[in-house]
Amino acid sequence: QSVLTQPPSVSAAPGQEVTISCSGSGSNIGSNSVSWYQQFPGTAPKLLIYDNNKLYLGIPGRFSGSKSGTSATLGITGLQTGDEADYYCGTWDSSLSAGVFGGGTKLAVL
Amino acid sequence: EAQLVESGGGLVQPGGSLRLSCAASGFTLSSFSRYWMSWVRQAPGKGLEWVASMKEDGSEIYYVDSVKGRFTISRDNAKNSLYLQMNSLRADDTAVYYCARLVRQPVFYMDVWGKGSTVTVSS
Repeated sequence: QSVLTQPPSVSAAPGQEVTISCSGSGSNIGSNSVSWYQQFPGTAPKLLIYDNNKLYLGIPGRFSGSKSGTSATLGITGLQTGDEADYYCGTWDSSLSAGVFGGGTKLAVL
Repeated sequence: EAQLVESGGGLVQPGGSLRLSCAASGFTLSSFSRYWMSWVRQAPGKGLEWVASMKEDGSEIYYVDSVKGRFTISRDNAKNSLYLQMNSLRADDTAVYYCARLVRQPVFYMDVWGKGSTVTVSS
């Protein structure tokens, strides 16, 4: 059971928009910044978004991040089949004194 | 370009030990010694799990509860290397272990990742 809660899967058609939610609590998302990672099967995770809404180097503007209270959201517009991957949110939990990730969301572009 | 390369994974029996290494290179803007570093693991078919993090000078170290007392993170800044000593290994430690550069305080994110080293704990 992950400290951060993400939907197991989301799907949308090519060209459409999708959002992935990440829900936590006051000790993690509520008081620390959130980052988002993309992972293709058999490869290492790649940073997409840091500090809640900042786009990492080389990441297209189709990706965006936001945070409100104890929840964060990753948005992807203009979906491409190449966006099919697993997406994870992560942050620090001040009560646990530990890094925490969401359980991951598998994106299908149908 | 910053790069991390893990090594030291393999097959080990339950109760055994293994030491992972992570060699850093290409930290052109700031040296290895100016970054927090982390280990993150991923069990087969499962999600990411943060394992441990260590401050630049080793003055702060944090572990996930499930490895406390069994795993030890360390670093040698002169060798641009990070380590994870894993003792009393259990079947549920089986995973791909990633080394990652951590940007910390006030933010928390991992911007450079290695390709991973596979650890299998089985008799």
